[in-house]
Amino acid sequence: KQEVTQIPAALSVPEGENLVLNCSFTDSAIYNLQWFRQDPGKGLTSLLLIQSSQREQTSGRLNASLDKSSGRSTLYIAASQPGDSATYLCAAPYNNNDMRFGAGTRLTVKP
Amino acid sequence: DGGITQSPKYLFRKEGQNVTLSCEQNLNHDAMYWYRQDPGQGLRLIYYSQIVNDFQKGDIAEGYSVSREKKESFPLTVTSAQKNPTAFYLCASSIPSGTGELFFGEGSRLTVL
Repeated sequence: KQEVTQIPAALSVPEGENLVLNCSFTDSAIYNLQWFRQDPGKGLTSLLLIQSSQREQTSGRLNASLDKSSGRSTLYIAASQPGDSATYLCAAPYNNNDMRFGAGTRLTVKP
Repeated sequence: DGGITQSPKYLFRKEGQNVTLSCEQNLNHDAMYWYRQDPGQGLRLIYYSQIVNDFQKGDIAEGYSVSREKKESFPLTVTSAQKNPTAFYLCASSIPSGTGELFFGEGSRLTVL
């Protein structure tokens, strides 16, 4: 059974700092891993999707890496801004019909 | 613009009532999903459908029902049998044979009075 864990549960940083969010998963036989952003009371917005054949994906100030052998993915945010404040969730597939989600990391970027 | 539309955004229900949450997508995706989100927890799968007229139970299907009569639509009914229905409900869709990337609607918040 796929279990997804995100550490830390909450993170507060000053504006401009680079930061790393962690995601670990127990079943390494995945075909992709996806990172999302969720603002309070809103749905999930897809940030990055990493296919199993890839080691990383980049979009603007965001970079996500995937290490299947160790069951880990990281989301790197460069030069953080107050607008980056949100909850970040990762999700890994299970049984080809389901995605298992972590509980998320709540990020606060202080001006 | 392509996307997923959920309605209503907020819904209040009295105990013993059934309510139906709407989910419509114009992304031409085959697969659709319903998730439930509770505070401090990850999303949990309620039901999913890979094709019209077919759907499967997820981890927490008890007290819920769905239908998939059209590719674009996947409504969720929260029945009176659901013991703790107050939650945030999220609908998603994907192309099963593609990248598998999930796209979400804006969610519906259900509160039982």
